[in-house]
Amino acid sequence: AQSVTQPDIHITVSEGASLELRCNYSYGATPYLFWYVQSPGQGLQLLLKYFSGDTLVQGIKGFEAEFKRSQSSFNLRKPSVHWSDAAEYFCAVLPGSTGNQFYFGTGTSLTVIP
Amino acid sequence: DVKVTQSSRYLVKRTGEKVFLECVQDMDHENMFWYRQDPGLGLRLIYFSYDVKMKEKGDIPEGYSVSREKKERFSLILESASTNQTSMYLCASSFSGQGLNQPQHFGDGTRLSIL
Repeated sequence: AQSVTQPDIHITVSEGASLELRCNYSYGATPYLFWYVQSPGQGLQLLLKYFSGDTLVQGIKGFEAEFKRSQSSFNLRKPSVHWSDAAEYFCAVLPGSTGNQFYFGTGTSLTVIP
Repeated sequence: DVKVTQSSRYLVKRTGEKVFLECVQDMDHENMFWYRQDPGLGLRLIYFSYDVKMKEKGDIPEGYSVSREKKERFSLILESASTNQTSMYLCASSFSGQGLNQPQHFGDGTRLSIL
């Protein structure tokens, strides 16, 4: 079955430490890939997207993500986490050839320790 | 910036009531979406629309209907609210452009409680 997997439900990091949030998908063709962030009580905000080309994409707030076709992954990274990064992060996939709806992972909740 | 506005942040209704959730976007987007968000389940698509008066079922349309009479407005209707529809509801919109592969822009959500 087609799916988007975020294997880490919750991650805790210290402020200033590096961060990697994992996302795997199981669609046949190369899909369109997105990362969103949701602060408490808010809607989702787009961090970055990948459609084609360079597999390392830069986003807002210092985030980047790398598409690895061989691993069907699109992991989100940040070199140095800030306390304001504490939020829920969602990976989303739009299947390329049959894409008429988005599929979201179940989210990863990030806690940042001062 | 794109603005997606949901009419209520918090809403409390009773079982059996007909409930309307309204969503308005100001960027002339063709596509609009309704999701519900529940802990551990992520976002699940209820309905979406890619044009006025057009609608498509998502993954969990049962118990819901939608209306899109104007391009900027997409309404979600709970025909007879039940307690298992207590949830956070998120509206989103996107530009059609090269197809449906444009990022979605989200409203702040409506937290609906059915008593």
